[in-house]
Amino acid sequence: AQTVTQSQPEMSVQEAETVTLSCTYDTSESDYYLFWYKQPPSRQMILVIRQEAYKQQNATENRFSVNFQKAAKSFSLKISDSQLGDAAMYFCAYRIPYINTGTASKLTFGTGTRLQVTL
Amino acid sequence: DADVTQTPRNRITKTGKRIMLECSQTKGHDRMYWYRQDPGLGLRLIYYSFDVKDINKGEISDGYSVSRQAQAKFSLSLESAIPNQTALYFCATSERGGPGGYTFGSGTRLTVV
Repeated sequence: AQTVTQSQPEMSVQEAETVTLSCTYDTSESDYYLFWYKQPPSRQMILVIRQEAYKQQNATENRFSVNFQKAAKSFSLKISDSQLGDAAMYFCAYRIPYINTGTASKLTFGTGTRLQVTL
Repeated sequence: DADVTQTPRNRITKTGKRIMLECSQTKGHDRMYWYRQDPGLGLRLIYYSFDVKDINKGEISDGYSVSRQAQAKFSLSLESAIPNQTALYFCATSERGGPGGYTFGSGTRLTVV
């Protein structure tokens, strides 16, 4: 079974600094998708960034970027120029493409990292 | 209006009571999911549905049941609520193909006393 591990329950960063959140996963699949979701105090789940495993180029969305190391099964999230609004719980998630399973592909989540942003 | 709407937003219920959490979506997605979030455990899948006639158990389905009343509606029931079902519950939808993630509702915080 696929598993997703986030080994940092809590992280803290000063405003305007850079922080990296770690995620590792275990899978025997070669084709899959990885995601980072943000959950602010409003509790809404917000998609931050996605990475397709067949793409070697790391995904980037404004201040958010990933370091995808397929061989190491590592998928870390880097937040640059941190802002107070980045304070939230961050979840790493994994799924395989629908076509590979013929069934609905389920998102498997890590346990989350709570990010605190300080002045 | 939100793409995925969950009701109620918060609910306190007593042990042994039956409770239903409702979810409706305007995304036109075939696939719908119910997840449970507990501190330190992340989100765990309870049930999922490909379409109206297809319901599947997730990893923690014991004590729960679901109904897919229409493509846009997917409800979760606790037949006899117990305190360890106190959690934040999310409904989500996804399209059939492509690299997309899920669209989540805003969650229902359920407390069983």
